[in-house]
Amino acid sequence: GESVGLHLPTLSVQEGDNSIINCAYSNSASDYFIWYKQESGKGPQFIIDIRSNMDKRQGQRVTVLLNKTVKHLSLQIAATQPGDSAVYFCAEFRAFLSGGGADGLTFGKGTHLIIQP
Amino acid sequence: DGGITQSPKYLFRKEGQNVTLSCEQNLNHDAMYWYRQDPGQGLRLIYYSQIVNDFQKGDIAEGYSVSREKKESFPLTVTSAQKNPTAFYLCASSIISANQPQHFGDGTRLSIL
Repeated sequence: GESVGLHLPTLSVQEGDNSIINCAYSNSASDYFIWYKQESGKGPQFIIDIRSNMDKRQGQRVTVLLNKTVKHLSLQIAATQPGDSAVYFCAEFRAFLSGGGADGLTFGKGTHLIIQP
Repeated sequence: DGGITQSPKYLFRKEGQNVTLSCEQNLNHDAMYWYRQDPGQGLRLIYYSQIVNDFQKGDIAEGYSVSREKKESFPLTVTSAQKNPTAFYLCASSIISANQPQHFGDGTRLSIL
Protein backbone atom coordinates (compact mmCIF):
# COMPACT_ATOMS: atom_id res chain seq x y z
CA GLY A 1 0.00 0.00 0.00
CA GLU A 2 0.93 3.64 -0.25
CA SER A 3 3.20 4.84 2.49
CA VAL A 4 3.69 8.40 1.41
CA GLY A 5 1.00 11.05 1.49
CA LEU A 6 0.47 14.76 1.41
CA HIS A 7 -1.68 16.83 3.70
CA LEU A 8 -3.34 19.09 1.12
CA PRO A 9 -4.33 18.40 -2.49
CA THR A 10 -4.28 22.15 -3.32
CA LEU A 11 -2.30 25.06 -1.91
CA SER A 12 -2.93 28.65 -3.02
CA VAL A 13 -0.34 31.34 -2.24
CA GLN A 14 0.27 34.93 -3.23
CA GLU A 15 3.09 35.64 -5.62
CA GLY A 16 6.16 36.62 -3.62
CA ASP A 17 5.10 34.76 -0.48
CA ASN A 18 6.83 31.64 0.80
CA SER A 19 5.16 28.27 0.16
CA ILE A 20 5.31 25.25 2.42
CA ILE A 21 4.21 21.88 1.08
CA ASN A 22 3.95 19.00 3.52
CA CYS A 23 4.29 15.26 3.23
CA ALA A 24 3.87 12.45 5.74
CA TYR A 25 5.38 9.02 5.41
CA SER A 26 4.70 5.90 7.40
CA ASN A 27 7.73 3.68 6.83
CA SER A 28 10.46 4.39 9.35
CA ALA A 29 12.88 2.26 7.29
CA SER A 30 12.80 4.72 4.40
CA ASP A 31 16.18 6.34 4.02
CA TYR A 32 15.94 8.67 1.06
CA PHE A 33 13.33 11.20 -0.01
CA ILE A 34 12.86 13.27 -3.14
CA TRP A 35 10.68 16.20 -4.09
CA TYR A 36 9.51 16.40 -7.69
CA LYS A 37 7.71 19.16 -9.57
CA GLN A 38 5.32 18.21 -12.35
CA GLU A 39 3.94 20.76 -14.79
CA SER A 40 0.86 19.99 -16.83
CA GLY A 41 1.49 17.42 -19.56
CA LYS A 42 5.11 16.84 -18.54
CA GLY A 43 7.07 14.34 -16.52
CA PRO A 44 8.16 14.96 -12.93
CA GLN A 45 11.25 17.11 -12.59
CA PHE A 46 13.72 16.54 -9.77
CA ILE A 47 13.86 19.47 -7.31
CA ILE A 48 15.79 18.36 -4.27
CA ASP A 49 16.51 15.25 -2.23
CA ILE A 50 17.47 14.44 1.32
CA ARG A 51 18.91 11.40 3.04
CA SER A 52 17.70 10.15 6.37
CA ASN A 53 20.94 11.16 8.12
CA MET A 54 20.09 14.82 7.46
CA ASP A 55 17.41 17.15 8.87
CA LYS A 56 17.64 19.95 6.37
CA ARG A 57 18.94 20.59 2.90
CA GLN A 58 18.88 23.78 0.90
CA GLY A 59 18.87 24.43 -2.80
CA GLN A 60 18.16 27.45 -4.91
CA ARG A 61 15.02 29.02 -3.35
CA VAL A 62 14.02 25.63 -1.95
CA THR A 63 14.57 23.96 1.39
CA VAL A 64 13.61 20.45 2.41
CA LEU A 65 13.10 19.60 6.06
CA LEU A 66 12.96 16.05 7.40
CA ASN A 67 11.54 15.23 10.82
CA LYS A 68 12.13 11.53 11.40
CA THR A 69 10.50 11.59 14.82
CA VAL A 70 7.07 12.30 13.35
CA LYS A 71 7.86 10.99 9.85
CA HIS A 72 7.25 14.32 8.21
CA LEU A 73 8.83 15.95 5.18
CA SER A 74 8.30 19.48 3.93
CA LEU A 75 9.31 21.57 0.94
CA GLN A 76 9.68 25.29 1.40
CA ILE A 77 9.77 27.54 -1.66
CA ALA A 78 10.97 31.09 -1.05
CA ALA A 79 9.47 34.08 -2.86
CA THR A 80 7.04 32.01 -4.92
CA GLN A 81 6.90 32.90 -8.61
CA PRO A 82 4.29 32.15 -11.31
CA GLY A 83 6.64 29.52 -12.75
CA ASP A 84 6.37 27.59 -9.50
CA SER A 85 2.78 26.69 -10.30
CA ALA A 86 2.73 22.90 -10.63
CA VAL A 87 1.94 19.69 -8.79
CA TYR A 88 4.56 18.76 -6.21
CA PHE A 89 5.18 15.15 -5.23
CA CYS A 90 7.23 13.74 -2.44
CA ALA A 91 8.67 10.30 -3.04
CA GLU A 92 10.11 7.76 -0.67
CA PHE A 93 12.85 5.33 -1.53
CA ARG A 94 13.84 2.12 0.12
CA ALA A 95 16.47 -0.01 -1.57
CA PHE A 96 16.15 -3.73 -1.97
CA LEU A 97 17.75 -5.41 1.01
CA SER A 98 19.42 -7.95 -1.26
CA GLY A 99 21.20 -5.84 -3.79
CA GLY A 100 20.81 -2.19 -3.01
CA GLY A 101 19.25 -1.62 -6.39
CA ALA A 102 16.32 0.56 -7.04
CA ASP A 103 12.89 -0.99 -6.90
CA GLY A 104 11.07 2.20 -7.73
CA LEU A 105 9.93 5.12 -5.67
CA THR A 106 6.68 5.34 -3.71
CA PHE A 107 4.90 8.56 -4.54
CA GLY A 108 2.32 10.56 -2.69
CA LYS A 109 -0.72 11.91 -4.55
CA GLY A 110 0.70 15.39 -4.97
CA THR A 111 -0.13 18.96 -3.96
CA HIS A 112 -1.20 21.40 -6.64
CA LEU A 113 0.47 24.75 -5.93
CA ILE A 114 -1.52 27.68 -7.30
CA ILE A 115 0.07 31.13 -7.46
CA GLN A 116 -2.25 34.10 -7.02
CA PRO A 117 -1.09 37.35 -8.68
CA ASP B 1 21.36 17.02 -24.42
CA GLY B 2 21.26 13.94 -22.26
CA GLY B 3 17.83 12.79 -21.27
CA ILE B 4 14.91 10.44 -21.63
CA THR B 5 12.74 10.46 -24.72
CA GLN B 6 9.27 8.99 -24.77
CA SER B 7 7.22 8.56 -27.92
CA PRO B 8 4.63 9.10 -29.07
CA LYS B 9 3.31 11.92 -26.91
CA TYR B 10 -0.29 10.88 -27.62
CA LEU B 11 -1.50 7.39 -28.53
CA PHE B 12 -4.91 5.93 -29.20
CA ARG B 13 -5.81 2.28 -28.83
CA LYS B 14 -8.69 0.36 -30.31
CA GLU B 15 -10.44 -2.39 -28.40
CA GLY B 16 -8.47 -5.63 -28.48
CA GLN B 17 -5.33 -3.98 -29.76
CA ASN B 18 -1.83 -4.09 -28.29
CA VAL B 19 0.15 -0.86 -28.37
CA THR B 20 3.81 -0.21 -27.61
CA LEU B 21 5.20 2.89 -25.93
CA SER B 22 8.80 3.80 -26.59
CA CYS B 23 11.35 4.94 -24.01
CA GLU B 24 14.96 5.74 -24.88
CA GLN B 25 17.65 7.22 -22.62
CA ASN B 26 21.18 8.44 -23.33
CA LEU B 27 22.16 8.98 -19.71
CA ASN B 28 24.01 5.65 -19.53
CA HIS B 29 21.74 4.61 -16.67
CA ASP B 30 21.44 0.92 -15.85
CA ALA B 31 17.99 1.06 -14.28
CA MET B 32 14.79 1.95 -16.11
CA TYR B 33 11.19 2.12 -14.92
CA TRP B 34 7.63 2.46 -16.15
CA TYR B 35 4.95 4.22 -14.14
CA ARG B 36 1.29 4.85 -14.68
CA GLN B 37 -0.35 8.09 -13.54
CA ASP B 38 -4.11 8.55 -13.29
CA PRO B 39 -5.77 11.96 -12.80
CA GLY B 40 -5.20 13.36 -9.33
CA GLN B 41 -3.10 10.39 -8.38
CA GLY B 42 0.52 9.66 -7.68
CA LEU B 43 2.66 7.41 -9.81
CA ARG B 44 2.33 3.63 -9.65
CA LEU B 45 5.13 1.31 -10.71
CA ILE B 46 4.38 -1.07 -13.59
CA TYR B 47 7.76 -2.67 -14.39
CA TYR B 48 11.41 -1.97 -13.79
CA SER B 49 14.72 -3.24 -15.09
CA GLN B 50 18.14 -3.03 -13.49
CA ILE B 51 20.12 -4.64 -16.29
CA VAL B 52 19.79 -5.67 -19.91
CA ASN B 53 17.67 -8.78 -20.49
CA ASP B 54 16.23 -8.65 -16.98
CA PHE B 55 13.14 -6.96 -15.60
CA GLN B 56 10.81 -7.22 -12.63
CA LYS B 57 7.11 -6.65 -12.06
CA GLY B 58 6.04 -3.62 -10.11
CA ASP B 59 2.78 -3.06 -8.27
CA ILE B 60 0.43 -3.07 -11.29
CA ALA B 61 2.09 -5.26 -13.97
CA GLU B 62 -1.05 -7.14 -15.07
CA GLY B 63 -1.95 -6.36 -18.67
CA TYR B 64 1.49 -4.95 -19.49
CA SER B 65 4.72 -6.38 -20.85
CA VAL B 66 8.23 -5.03 -21.34
CA SER B 67 11.57 -5.93 -22.87
CA ARG B 68 15.12 -4.75 -22.24
CA GLU B 69 17.26 -5.81 -25.19
CA LYS B 70 19.44 -2.72 -25.06
CA LYS B 71 20.63 -0.58 -22.17
CA GLU B 72 19.19 2.53 -23.78
CA SER B 73 15.72 1.21 -24.50
CA PHE B 74 12.83 -0.07 -22.38
CA PRO B 75 9.60 -0.31 -24.42
CA LEU B 76 6.27 -0.96 -22.71
CA THR B 77 3.46 -2.87 -24.41
CA VAL B 78 -0.08 -2.28 -23.21
CA THR B 79 -1.90 -5.48 -24.09
CA SER B 80 -5.58 -6.08 -24.72
CA ALA B 81 -5.69 -7.73 -21.30
CA GLN B 82 -5.34 -4.29 -19.70
CA LYS B 83 -9.00 -3.33 -19.41
CA ASN B 84 -8.47 0.22 -18.21
CA PRO B 85 -5.45 1.48 -20.15
CA THR B 86 -6.37 5.16 -20.37
CA ALA B 87 -3.66 6.97 -18.39
CA PHE B 88 -0.47 8.99 -18.56
CA TYR B 89 2.57 6.70 -18.81
CA LEU B 90 5.93 7.83 -17.53
CA CYS B 91 9.33 6.28 -18.10
CA ALA B 92 12.27 6.94 -15.79
CA SER B 93 15.88 5.92 -15.41
CA SER B 94 18.51 6.03 -12.69
CA ILE B 95 21.95 4.94 -11.66
CA ILE B 96 22.03 1.56 -9.92
CA SER B 97 22.89 2.68 -6.46
CA ALA B 98 21.07 3.43 -3.28
CA ASN B 99 19.80 6.96 -2.80
CA GLN B 100 19.86 8.15 -6.38
CA PRO B 101 17.03 10.13 -7.98
CA GLN B 102 15.09 8.87 -10.94
CA HIS B 103 14.91 11.06 -14.02
CA PHE B 104 11.70 11.12 -16.02
CA GLY B 105 10.64 11.53 -19.60
CA ASP B 106 7.71 13.74 -20.60
CA GLY B 107 5.24 10.89 -20.82
CA THR B 108 2.82 9.31 -23.28
CA ARG B 109 -0.90 9.87 -22.91
CA LEU B 110 -2.84 6.77 -23.95
CA SER B 111 -6.54 6.93 -24.74
CA ILE B 112 -9.10 4.42 -25.94
CA LEU B 113 -11.00 4.95 -29.18
